[in-house]
Amino acid sequence: DAGITQSPRYKITETGRQVTLMCHQTWSHSYMFWYRQDLGHGLRLIYYSAAADITDKGEVPDGYVVSRSKTENFPLTLESATRSQTSVYFCASSDRRAQGLRQPQHFGDGTRLSIL
Amino acid sequence: KNQVEQSPQSLIILEGKNCTLQCNYTVSPFSNLRWYKQDTGRGPVSLTIMTFSENTKSNGRYTATLDADTKQSSLHITASQLSDSASYICVVHNTGGGNKLTFGTGTQLKVEL
Repeated sequence: DAGITQSPRYKITETGRQVTLMCHQTWSHSYMFWYRQDLGHGLRLIYYSAAADITDKGEVPDGYVVSRSKTENFPLTLESATRSQTSVYFCASSDRRAQGLRQPQHFGDGTRLSIL
Repeated sequence: KNQVEQSPQSLIILEGKNCTLQCNYTVSPFSNLRWYKQDTGRGPVSLTIMTFSENTKSNGRYTATLDADTKQSSLHITASQLSDSASYICVVHNTGGGNKLTFGTGTQLKVEL
């Protein structure tokens, strides 16, 4: 089925470990985004990508790395996890035709990440 | 600072009743305003998108209004159902530096029997 899927749904890891969150979309949307959602905050943009091999920082990029070698995949890596990165992470995509941000973003169901 | 403030923070209503959620924003310059519904444990789902020239937009029992002069929006839910229980998030598109979306923290709605 078409859609956007994130994996894993839940992850527990320890501080200092590297962890990668996966995001896959089947719409061939050009734009993809990574957000984190924390209590008391609205969704905050970590990184986004306008197309394969094009990525850019969002509001809270420190401690995160992204890549986009294929249009459909946009993995997010925490190089050395810290407790402050405990959060729910959402991936989203949108159609390029209407300049990305003027179209609705389609969100995955999130990855709940706990760092002990 | 560009901000999006939503009220109330939480709301409980009886099934079948109507309710209105508020969103005030200071984002400028502004392109469009969106309302999303987020069920527990799920990602947000788009309900409406309004440009600065639109005053109202409906999606079934959901009607969003926008007053770009006062920088206020509301989401009205008619004849609420148990399945309307969710967080409703207001999002504003800032076309200024960074071309970004600013998210509110949401209104948590619970519909009870």
